[in-house]
Amino acid sequence: AQSVTQLGSHVSVSEGALVLLRCNYSSSVPPYLFWYVQYPNQGLQLLLKYTTGATLVKGINGFEAEFKKSETSFHLTKPSAHMSDAAEYFCAVSPNYQLIWGAGTKLIIKP
Amino acid sequence: DGGITQSPKYLFRKEGQNVTLSCEQNLNHDAMYWYRQDPGQGLRLIYYSQIVNDFQKGDIAEGYSVSREKKESFPLTVTSAQKNPTAFYLCASSLETSPGDTQYFGPGTRLTVL
Repeated sequence: AQSVTQLGSHVSVSEGALVLLRCNYSSSVPPYLFWYVQYPNQGLQLLLKYTTGATLVKGINGFEAEFKKSETSFHLTKPSAHMSDAAEYFCAVSPNYQLIWGAGTKLIIKP
Repeated sequence: DGGITQSPKYLFRKEGQNVTLSCEQNLNHDAMYWYRQDPGQGLRLIYYSQIVNDFQKGDIAEGYSVSREKKESFPLTVTSAQKNPTAFYLCASSLETSPGDTQYFGPGTRLTVL
């Protein structure tokens, strides 16, 4: 069965520091990959997605992610964290038309 | 503005009651989805619909029911058979059900059983 693992239910970084949120997936076929962000008591918003082509994907709010097939990973990064980045981030894979979700990582920004 | 609306934002239910959560979209999307979100867990699929008058069970359909009489509407009923309904419910839609289609989410409804 397909699965998504997000390493770390909580990640804490200082404002201005690098953000790295990890996502690994298991899939027997090349998947489509997504990162979504959720602010408290709100719905999810698409940050970025990988379908085909360039493996480095740029998204909104300065985030980017790199698809590494050999490592079955799709880690999310941002060079410099801002207080407004505090939220929960979800990685998802789409081997077909359904999404398989990771458990989420809460990003905490320290002033 | 195009988007997905869910109502109400907060809903309280007494044990034994059925309640219906509303989801409306004006994106002209064919596919719609209902997810349940519990703390520390990813989203779990309850039901999805690829087209009007058709829907399929997801991973946790027991105790829930849906209808899709109109393209823009996909209401979810939480029945008294759902043993632990307190959760955050999210509705989503996508243009089609092709692999890689982006799902767009509504703001959610928080259901609490009293």
